[in-house]
Amino acid sequence: NAGVTQTPKFQVLKTGQSMTLQCAQDMNHEYMSWYRQDPGMGLRLIHYSVGAGITDQGEVPNGYNVSRSTTEDFPLRLLSAAPSQTSVYFCASSYEAGETGELFFGEGSRLTVL
Amino acid sequence: AQSVTQPDIHITVSEGASLELRCNYSYGATPYLFWYVQSPGQGLQLLLKYFSGDTLVQGIKGFEAEFKRSQSSFNLRKPSVHWSDAAEYFCAVGANTNAGKSTFGDGTTLTVKP
Repeated sequence: NAGVTQTPKFQVLKTGQSMTLQCAQDMNHEYMSWYRQDPGMGLRLIHYSVGAGITDQGEVPNGYNVSRSTTEDFPLRLLSAAPSQTSVYFCASSYEAGETGELFFGEGSRLTVL
Repeated sequence: AQSVTQPDIHITVSEGASLELRCNYSYGATPYLFWYVQSPGQGLQLLLKYFSGDTLVQGIKGFEAEFKRSQSSFNLRKPSVHWSDAAEYFCAVGANTNAGKSTFGDGTTLTVKP
């Protein structure tokens, strides 16, 4: 039962570097999303996708890009990392609106930008 | 726009005591409501959810929550807390057209005293 798998679990970047956080799910979920979690601020939605080839912005999209070429994968790209992007990132997936709507989360990726 | 408020940032209870975590939401129609739990270093796990019907819902690990439309609340309760319940708890509201796009509260950290 893999569920939602995120890699890497930990990453340290220098300001200006780029990287991709990987997310894969094996539950055939249509909906996938990326959240960032910062102390005292709960989870904030970065980007989401309602199916392959379809993505949209969430609450805090600036500095991040996403794509959804397959149902299984939803990578998050940081083009030029900034210290403000130091955070814990969670990928989540869900059935498309209707049956349950609950989110299934990965274990998170902790990113530090120096 | 939907929103969630968790008034208590941190709660401490003694093991065996009862627990109530508060959640207030703002949403124009009937909301989809969720409680998630996050153990240290882990992703979020669904405790319970409310979509419609009986306003008292049962979840995993002995938790329950009551939906009160008149108070716009969805408080989480447990009759007797165990040390393993120490974690961070998040209330979330989802739109009824796309419950996967949930908005989270800032979380309540529960400490359990022996």
